[in-house]
Amino acid sequence: QQQVKQSPQSLIVQKGGISIINCAYENTAFDYFPWYQQFPGKGPALLIAIRPDVSEKKEGRFTISFNKSAKQFSLHIMDSQPGDSATYFCAARNAGNNRKLIWGLGTSLAVNP
Amino acid sequence: GAGVSQSPSNKVTEKGKDVELRCDPISGHTALYWYRQSLGQGLEFLIYFQGNSAPDKSGLPSDRFSAERTGGSVSTLTIQRTQQEDSAVYLCASSMIATNEKLFFGSGTQLSVL
Repeated sequence: QQQVKQSPQSLIVQKGGISIINCAYENTAFDYFPWYQQFPGKGPALLIAIRPDVSEKKEGRFTISFNKSAKQFSLHIMDSQPGDSATYFCAARNAGNNRKLIWGLGTSLAVNP
Repeated sequence: GAGVSQSPSNKVTEKGKDVELRCDPISGHTALYWYRQSLGQGLEFLIYFQGNSAPDKSGLPSDRFSAERTGGSVSTLTIQRTQQEDSAVYLCASSMIATNEKLFFGSGTQLSVL
């Protein structure tokens, strides 16, 4: 059973557009929600993360929106660039189970020039 | 080094052979994690170390898989009697402490079992 559901599986956006990737979870024990970015041939790299006591966090062109009541969080990439083309993973940390990270299945983003 | 280093970057082996994958974490990072990533799939947790101890081995797929960490630094993931379904990218990550925040990943070892 996938505890963190990520959508869409793939996404194509034009340069300058907004990329939106969504994740949903069920477990209320999750207490930390990171997004990782992975380029081909590389390991994932932490992009941005949020805790459930805030509804939004922004770092440059990247924003996480968090809806605690709906148990959903999303990544918004403003002014998307071809260099943003990568696979994006959301994750959620279970505070009650050895702080284990539960990962989404990833979204492959392609930004067309 | 500046980042997490994994070796080899690629490994091709024959079914039934044993393989060892190495991970050098960032200096000073006490936590070390092993993940497996199959083509087009997400990240599958295998095992993590806090120092030289492995509090959580729950992700190891079978008893053919084992890992150790020595000196609170280098870790080795060993797969015995490899099978074709073991083919994947094996990723190592480290972090300052074992809170699963701010993981730094290596570039992985691409394992191909023929």
